[in-house]
Amino acid sequence: NAGVMQNPRHLVRRRGQEARLRCSPMKGHSHVYWYRQLPEEGLKFMVYLQKENIIDESGMPKERFSAEFPKEGPSILRIQQVVRGDSAAYFCASSGDGNEQFFGPGTRLTVL
Amino acid sequence: GENVEQHPSTLSVQEGDSAVIKCTYSDSASNYFPWYKQELGKRPQLIIDIRSNVGEKKDQRIAVTLNKTAKHFSLHITETQPEDSAVYFCAASRAGGTSYGKLTFGQGTILTVHP
Repeated sequence: NAGVMQNPRHLVRRRGQEARLRCSPMKGHSHVYWYRQLPEEGLKFMVYLQKENIIDESGMPKERFSAEFPKEGPSILRIQQVVRGDSAAYFCASSGDGNEQFFGPGTRLTVL
Repeated sequence: GENVEQHPSTLSVQEGDSAVIKCTYSDSASNYFPWYKQELGKRPQLIIDIRSNVGEKKDQRIAVTLNKTAKHFSLHITETQPEDSAVYFCAASRAGGTSYGKLTFGQGTILTVHP
């Protein structure tokens, strides 16, 4: 049973470019969460999705950030017009029942 | 919204000693409290969790206690080993409603176990 998969593991973008981060939940899990971790800080909730629905996006900046979890395929976190402050590790987690969350290996985004 | 405070921020112990990390939370509706261990450059890994209908849970050298009245929960690691060295995060969440399962994390504790 494969765990939560994320790709790419490392992503380098120049200011103003777009970043697309992908997350495939564990098999059988229908809940996906995205968290951001700034260097030497804790994890901050961004968005919670179920298939084809955004359930809670209260932690996601209103501008430049969007997320989706289509019926087929991985969940995608999209950051448009990246700025240096977007540099962070982005983790997704999945859950089968909304409680225990299992994390992916993360995508480390560096904005030059 | 929920706010989780975690102490201490760093903890240094000798191998074989016990380590205790404490967290407080603000939302009385929170009912699920996991602990995660994160090694440098790695993913957070769930090590133990507790739900609000239980006061204590133990798994080998790791135990967690919960005091709902005080909104306080703690992680206890006994007989520490160098491989326990990592950053530990507590978290809280509320089951039900639109924020079902959303985790609010503490700031983390850097645990160093000296051989």
